Amino acid sequence: EIVLTQSPGTLSLSPGERATLSCRASQTVSSSYLAWYQQKPGQAPRLLIYGASSRATGIPDRFSGSGSGTDFTLTITRLEPEDFAVYYCQQYGSSPPITFGQGTRLEIK
Amino acid sequence: EVQLVESGGGLVQPGGSLRLSCAASGFTFSTFSMNWVRQAPGKGLEWVSYISSSSSFIYYADSVKGRFTISRDNGKNALYLQMNSLRAEDTAVYYCARRGMSCSGSNCYVEYWGQGALVTVSS
Repeated sequence: EIVLTQSPGTLSLSPGERATLSCRASQTVSSSYLAWYQQKPGQAPRLLIYGASSRATGIPDRFSGSGSGTDFTLTITRLEPEDFAVYYCQQYGSSPPITFGQGTRLEIK
Repeated sequence: EVQLVESGGGLVQPGGSLRLSCAASGFTFSTFSMNWVRQAPGKGLEWVSYISSSSSFIYYADSVKGRFTISRDNGKNALYLQMNSLRAEDTAVYYCARRGMSCSGSNCYVEYWGQGALVTVSS
């Protein structure tokens, strides 16, 4: 089973700053089958990125994903107030069908 | 518009049973595989179970194997999760989750999520 480790656990930044979130896999994620989600309190997760770098429908271009193999990054340029939330990575290149990272909390500094 | 609406959550005693339902609309349900994903209070996301579009392939997380049963009724556009022998650690919000469009095989990202159904296992 591929284990995903996200860092940092909590990231404190101010609106307008750039956020860099990391997701490291214990084994190679085949075909860059890596997704990112945003979750706000009391809400279901929302898909941001799939295939490591493809933005989902309706996602602003300040969100971008990169990486391959075992190291992946979610970058948010110019943080907006609504971007402060918890972010999860997920791999879908290996069984079981879905595994998630433990999450990174992005909080307002 | 894709909609996934869970129902059937509630309070149940340890060892009890509960059946969750998910009503799907806005897409051709019979052509998409589906998942259940849960989230314990204050914790992260945990995949629970997967069912292929025709119910030919079914998978479970080790934590629920032998206790939970996933099923679907394509004629009713509905997904189900029968949960037996419930434990305190099964307490969570359970999300019905539809796979995305841009992947092949059983593994995929989740493009759409329901609003979740809270299951509380407590005496």
